[in-house]
Amino acid sequence: NAGVTQTPKFHILKTGQSMTLQCAQDMNHGYMSWYRQDPGMGLRLIYYSAAAGTTDKEVPNGYNVSRLNTEDFPLRLVSAAPSQTSVYLCASRNRVCNSPLHFGNGTRLTVT
Amino acid sequence: GEDVEQSLFLSVREGDSSVINCTYTDSSSTYLYWYKQEPGAGLQLLTYIFSNMDMKQDQRLTVLLNKKDKHLSLRIADTQTGDSAIYFCAERGGFQKLVFGTGTRLLVSP
Repeated sequence: NAGVTQTPKFHILKTGQSMTLQCAQDMNHGYMSWYRQDPGMGLRLIYYSAAAGTTDKEVPNGYNVSRLNTEDFPLRLVSAAPSQTSVYLCASRNRVCNSPLHFGNGTRLTVT
Repeated sequence: GEDVEQSLFLSVREGDSSVINCTYTDSSSTYLYWYKQEPGAGLQLLTYIFSNMDMKQDQRLTVLLNKKDKHLSLRIADTQTGDSAIYFCAERGGFQKLVFGTGTRLLVSP
């Protein structure tokens, strides 16, 4: 198993450009989520999906997701802003109570 | 709302014990977790404790939970340079949501 795979590892974007961060897992996990990690602020949940076909938003604006199948959970930045400069972490777990989150290695995104 | 706080830095010498502390606000938390993040990597689950337990030991790791004070700690015995990383405390209240602390950067010097 590859686990949770995120691409790209690094990217630089200009303000106003759009981009999709990819996340895929091969563990047949129902639950997937996106966090952003910023220095001194820990991890903040952006979006999660409890199962294919469903998504729930945690923070407003600037991001969009889709969950067309179990494996993939892409995160789209519609019109990037410098405030979206961050490390983005994707995670998944199965739906059993207390199953642990499995994280990808992250995408470091800089918006200039 | 839910909030989880940690100190940002801890520095210890190799062979000493490290104690990383965490406080949380959600009294309905069911599980509390410790994750480790090495440079350039995602988070890995180290250990967790159920809210009706006071202590859990797993090899060099000891987790203490004071539910009355909403205080969680992680003790690493015989700390090694390979333990240098960022350690995150997290608590689970609702079924889907994990709330993470700010992370404590542990630096182990030889």
